[in-house]
Amino acid sequence: DAGVIQSPRHEVTEMGQEVTLRCKPISGHDYLFWYRQTMMRGLELLIYFNNNVPIDDSGMPEDRFSAKMPNASFSTLKIQPSEPRDSAVYFCASSLVLAGGPYEQYFGPGTRLTVT
Amino acid sequence: KNQVEQSPQSLIILEGKNCTLQCNYTVSPFSNLRWYKQDTGRGPVSLTIMTFSENTKSNGRYTATLDADTKQSSLHITASQLSDSASYICVVPFDNTDKLIFGTGTRLQVFP
Repeated sequence: DAGVIQSPRHEVTEMGQEVTLRCKPISGHDYLFWYRQTMMRGLELLIYFNNNVPIDDSGMPEDRFSAKMPNASFSTLKIQPSEPRDSAVYFCASSLVLAGGPYEQYFGPGTRLTVT
Repeated sequence: KNQVEQSPQSLIILEGKNCTLQCNYTVSPFSNLRWYKQDTGRGPVSLTIMTFSENTKSNGRYTATLDADTKQSSLHITASQLSDSASYICVVPFDNTDKLIFGTGTRLQVFP
């Protein structure tokens, strides 16, 4: 399997522009997670889905952030309008929950977002 | 407050030496603890997952220990290699949910 795929790998945009990050989870995985990583705050969970349904979006910083998962093989994280403080590395991860034990989350390579 | 704290923040060692990284957590209830390795510019990769009933778990040159009573874990790296240079992150799920709480990591640099 190719693992979790994210695009683009790097994104540079101006303040006020809309940014869309994309993720393709590992085939067969039923959970998908979006994280943000900064030097100051480390890794933070933004939102996660189970079977394409958002379960917990309490980590989404504000209304400028939205995430969708229209099908089992694709998810987007959108920031509109973007601000310089949104600059970070955004990771997507997926997992398959099996009965009887803790599951592993597999992370994508991340998208480095720079908002100027 | 549910937290995961790691020490040291950074560590420099010479190739071939051993080192130990520490993790203290206050997450409750506790179900499992994970150690991830994150190379520069890449996503975290799982090294070990330990449940509350496990005291020690090894993955090659990596050995993790867990003391659920004192809420401490350590990651011991034996005979370090240059490729061990990375950030090591301790992670604990929140309240038996799918939400993970990440420590801020230990940045390890191995020099020849």
